[in-house]
Amino acid sequence: QVQLQESGPGLVKPSQTLSLTCTVSGGSISSGSYYWSWIRQPAGKGLEWIGRIYTSGSTNYNPSLKSRVTISVDTSKNQFSLKLSSVTAADTAVYYCARDPLEGYYFDYWGQGTLVTVSS
Amino acid sequence: DIQMTQSPSSLSASVGDRVTITCQASQDISNYLNWYQQKPGKAPKLLIYDASNLETGVPSRFSGSGSGTDFTFTISSLQPEDIATYYCQQYDNLPRYTFGQGTKLEIK
Repeated sequence: QVQLQESGPGLVKPSQTLSLTCTVSGGSISSGSYYWSWIRQPAGKGLEWIGRIYTSGSTNYNPSLKSRVTISVDTSKNQFSLKLSSVTAADTAVYYCARDPLEGYYFDYWGQGTLVTVSS
Repeated sequence: DIQMTQSPSSLSASVGDRVTITCQASQDISNYLNWYQQKPGKAPKLLIYDASNLETGVPSRFSGSGSGTDFTFTISSLQPEDIATYYCQQYDNLPRYTFGQGTKLEIK
C-alpha cells in the first residue's frame, strides 16, 4: 500500500521560502508510472494544485504560482520536494502531496497534509 | 482558462435520500473529470475518476456521469458516513488541474 508523508516547518516568516518534503513508501517514486504533485488548501477553502514532477525531473506548475515554485525529486531517498518563495499570509494553508497516474488525470493517493502558517 | 462551476455549494438531505451534485466546465473537457470526498481534517479521497469510473473499494451507491461540459455525481442512498465536502476536479492540456468550489453535504 503506497503511503505519502509530508514534512517540513509549520511556521514560515513572510518573504521567506517555504520548503516541504514528501516521502513515498510502499512503492518506488522511480517506477515511471506516476506524476507526483503538490496541492494546497487554505483553511475553510477549496483545493489548489501547485505543480507536479515526473521521475525524470520534468515539471509542470500552476501558472498562478509558477514564478515562485520549484519542485524537485530525489529518487535515492524516494522523496520529492516543494519550495515556494516570497511567501505571504495568503500562502498559509494545509499542503498535500499526492500521486497522479500517468494514464490518468486524477490523484489516487494523498498524504495526510501538513499545515504551514506564514507569520512573523 | 477552463472554469469549473460546482453546485450547489451546500446541501442538506436525509438518510436514504438520493443526492446529486453537478459540475460544469466552461469548455469541453472530454471525460477528464473526477470526484473526491473530503472529511474534516482529512485528505481528499478519490471516489470517481474519468467521469464515471468507480475507484476500487468505493461503495456502489456513489456514481458519476457526463462528458464534455456537464457532469453529475450521485449518491443513490445517503448514509450518515457520507457527510463530507465533495469536490470535482478537471484536467486541461496546459497541463493544469482545477478543482470545483466544493459542496458541503449535511444530514437533515
